[in-house]
Amino acid sequence: GNSVTQMEGPVTLSEEAFLTINCTYTATGYPSLFWYVQYPGEGLQLLLKATKADDKGSNKGFEATYRKETTSFHLEKGSVQVSDSAVYFCAPPKAAGNKLTFGGGTRVLVKP
Amino acid sequence: ETGVTQTPRHLVMGMTNKKSLKCEQHLGHNAMYWYKQSAKKPLELMFVYNFKEQTENNSVPSRFSPECPNSSHLFLHLHTLQPEDSALYLCASSPIVTGGHAGLPVYEQYFGPGTRLTVT
Repeated sequence: GNSVTQMEGPVTLSEEAFLTINCTYTATGYPSLFWYVQYPGEGLQLLLKATKADDKGSNKGFEATYRKETTSFHLEKGSVQVSDSAVYFCAPPKAAGNKLTFGGGTRVLVKP
Repeated sequence: ETGVTQTPRHLVMGMTNKKSLKCEQHLGHNAMYWYKQSAKKPLELMFVYNFKEQTENNSVPSRFSPECPNSSHLFLHLHTLQPEDSALYLCASSPIVTGGHAGLPVYEQYFGPGTRLTVT
């Protein structure tokens, strides 16, 4: 099945700093890719997705581009806020079928 | 009410107790999932139900017993748990949406807020 490698963190940033969270994966074919976010005390929320190679997903100022040549789906935000403090999960599918691969997530802490 | 709801949000139980976690989705999805999230561990998929049929049991101990009476409801029955079972239990649901590359289906999962379980 597929697998994902994601930086562990924690990542500590100051407000308005640039954020990058690296995600690389192994997959059969070109599956859809997802980023999820988990705010403190909550479940996971879908942040953005890309359904095919070279697609760019974006939401709430976050972006990620599906790079098939490097099998990567790095998450970026140009200017983070304290409210972006959360755990971020890159999630490619496990294989064909309705299961996603979740790594340990990357904890991000944004300080004022 | 919309989205995926879970009750209770917090549960403390002794090792000899029997309790149940409930999940309900109002999204018209036909797949539902239970996950376990422990500190410093990746999210663990426990069970998958498609169209009310269990399609995956990820080597989960029998002290966890799922039940899916219909596509909107999912339960996790708990009995004789161990302290190491303390965790956040997340429910999710998904549609089955086609249209990805080469016709591969796209399974977005929508999560509930979780039940924080503490076993004493």
